Amino acid sequence: DAKTTQPTSMDCAEGRAANLPCNHSTISGNEYVYWYRQIHSQGPQYIIHGLKNNETNEMASLIITEDRKSSTLILPHATLRDTAVYYCIVRVGKTSYDKVIFGPGTSLSVIP
Amino acid sequence: EADIYQTPRYLVIGTGKKITLECSQTMGHDKMYWYQQDPGMELHLIHYSYGVNSTEKGDLSSESTVSRIRTEHFPLTLESARPSHTSQYLCASSETSGSRGEQYFGPGTRLTVT
Repeated sequence: DAKTTQPTSMDCAEGRAANLPCNHSTISGNEYVYWYRQIHSQGPQYIIHGLKNNETNEMASLIITEDRKSSTLILPHATLRDTAVYYCIVRVGKTSYDKVIFGPGTSLSVIP
Repeated sequence: EADIYQTPRYLVIGTGKKITLECSQTMGHDKMYWYQQDPGMELHLIHYSYGVNSTEKGDLSSESTVSRIRTEHFPLTLESARPSHTSQYLCASSETSGSRGEQYFGPGTRLTVT
């Protein structure tokens, strides 16, 4: 079973920040939060991951609540090319031997 | 740029045929995965491997089989294709050490069984 819940869909105006929430209330202390996105029918692409500190890279920022039960992926200036399905996943991390399960994700539509 | 390849990209085949979907990666990753995805639907894990000679079934029951004889190669086989096998099959790999541990995905094979 997927360990996360995300809204089914969201809209965002082009140029605005897109804030995608994810609930992971049963996350364990050694589990990371990973975010991927899938554009059309291509293979998913890694975006970012974090354990408990907020993280930022060239693609996005990840804000994790202090209790780690939820997180938000932020695309600071959404473009039309950011229209995709965004998946939030929790897993033990690179040393894990667990299954990597994707839930239904959030379908983000960036509107001109 | 991820170095993970899948062939064929598209395959249309008749019922009852045996097919093998190829997946290769040149990154030396120890872990590899197969996912099945119907159009507009979520990804379902059907097989995964921790390394050579290791294969495990995923969360979605599948009539396909896999093998891992070499680190870089993780083929998926259907002994007798049926229309219910029509779907997109995505292969992925990840490594245990030295990186962020993220999965790299191939471009997928879109299978149609008539």
